Amino acid sequence: GQNIDQPTEMTATEGAIVQINCTYQTSGFNGLFWYQQHAGEAPTFLSYNVLDGLEEKGRFSSFLSRSKGYSYLLLKELQMKDSASYLCAGGTNAGKSTFGDGTTLTVKP
Amino acid sequence: DAGVIQSPRHEVTEMGQEVTLRCKPISGHNSLFWYRQTMMRGLELLIYFNNNVPIDDSGMPEDRFSAKMPNASFSTLKIQPSEPRDSAVYFCASSSPAGQGVFYGYTFGSGTRLTVV
Repeated sequence: GQNIDQPTEMTATEGAIVQINCTYQTSGFNGLFWYQQHAGEAPTFLSYNVLDGLEEKGRFSSFLSRSKGYSYLLLKELQMKDSASYLCAGGTNAGKSTFGDGTTLTVKP
Repeated sequence: DAGVIQSPRHEVTEMGQEVTLRCKPISGHNSLFWYRQTMMRGLELLIYFNNNVPIDDSGMPEDRFSAKMPNASFSTLKIQPSEPRDSAVYFCASSSPAGQGVFYGYTFGSGTRLTVV
């Protein structure tokens, strides 16, 4: 199966660091994507992990452990504009992705 | 590049009417995906195409839904007849060819917000 689990909501303070976790059943996935979706807008691609380890992109980093079926998105130096839903998605060889329900992050001053 | 273009942005229709949603993928992207998003069910894959060929339509809810991709630059999702439970945001997304273990994220269109009354 390809169930994807992530927390429904998280709250953090501006300037802080927040880690959003995602767990998934390992069968069928060849990689793990993270997307950001602001309210009323389309999801936008943030990161992709196919190998174990940490991928860093500016303030955002994503980690993957394939054996554990676990990933996280790390957001540093939080800004108010980072308030959004963060979607974890498993990808397959055919290019198809299955999305989790998303984690709504609220950044407070 | 103008990105993935969807039309219309908003559609309000009466139950029983036919609805056609349109999508123009990014030029050069060979995969196209139709997703539906609701608060209750999140983002659900309806159908996807590789090189204009439907690969997996197992997510299409029922026979009332149909999708076509007559060429590399255009796809439609049709609902006939529409029902109130079809109300959702429908996203089209496209992606570059994947190969040799390299994957590319989707580029989503702005979506069509469908309301069936």
